[in-house]
Amino acid sequence: AQKITQTQPGMFVQEKEAVTLDCTYDTSDQSYGLFWYKQPSSGEMIFLIYQGSYDEQNATEGRYSLNFQKARKSANLVISASQLGDSAMYFCAMREGEGGSNYKLTFGKGTLLTVNP
Amino acid sequence: DSGVTQTPKHLITATGQRVTLRCSPRSGDLSVYWYQQSLDQGLQFLIQYYNGEERAKGNILERFSAQQFPDLHSELNLSSLELGDSALYFCASSVTDLNTEAFFGQGTRLTVV
Repeated sequence: AQKITQTQPGMFVQEKEAVTLDCTYDTSDQSYGLFWYKQPSSGEMIFLIYQGSYDEQNATEGRYSLNFQKARKSANLVISASQLGDSAMYFCAMREGEGGSNYKLTFGKGTLLTVNP
Repeated sequence: DSGVTQTPKHLITATGQRVTLRCSPRSGDLSVYWYQQSLDQGLQFLIQYYNGEERAKGNILERFSAQQFPDLHSELNLSSLELGDSALYFCASSVTDLNTEAFFGQGTRLTVV
């Protein structure tokens, strides 16, 4: 089974509107972390936001917020007031555990977001 | 700019050859992670070093090896290269080994011909 599932291969949004990118995860660990990264066409990976499994509040970073629903194992990224520069591939990733060797990130397949003017 | 520096940005080499990719982490970051991004496999974790020691291993082939030096820069060595090794190789770094905020370099695009 996939550990990170992003069900939307592609999404379109109008400039200035909000958009939600879906991410569900699968883990039996109690401690884990969830990340979102943006990869523009230039190729670099840009860290957007992090949510720890024990964090009670949803993470926010500027126009980005993470809608964390632990019981449903979902960690959706919400981008408010979309801008043309938000057009990119978005990856959800998970770090499992907090000890031993579980420090790697497991990535989803990504969602390609296109912002229309 | 993430502060993580990878060199070279592009590399074209022939099958059977050996290459070395270099990564300088952000100042103060002790952990370095290597990832491979290919069209068919997506983004895959290869290996992690923390303060000079190997900490975690992922789907890294035996033809690949890495190390982290005392100045904390890291090198990923790829040998006996095959066409399928063509990919974007990323290095990421973080302050601790818990990877709460990992910042990625711009990647090295390797093309094996």
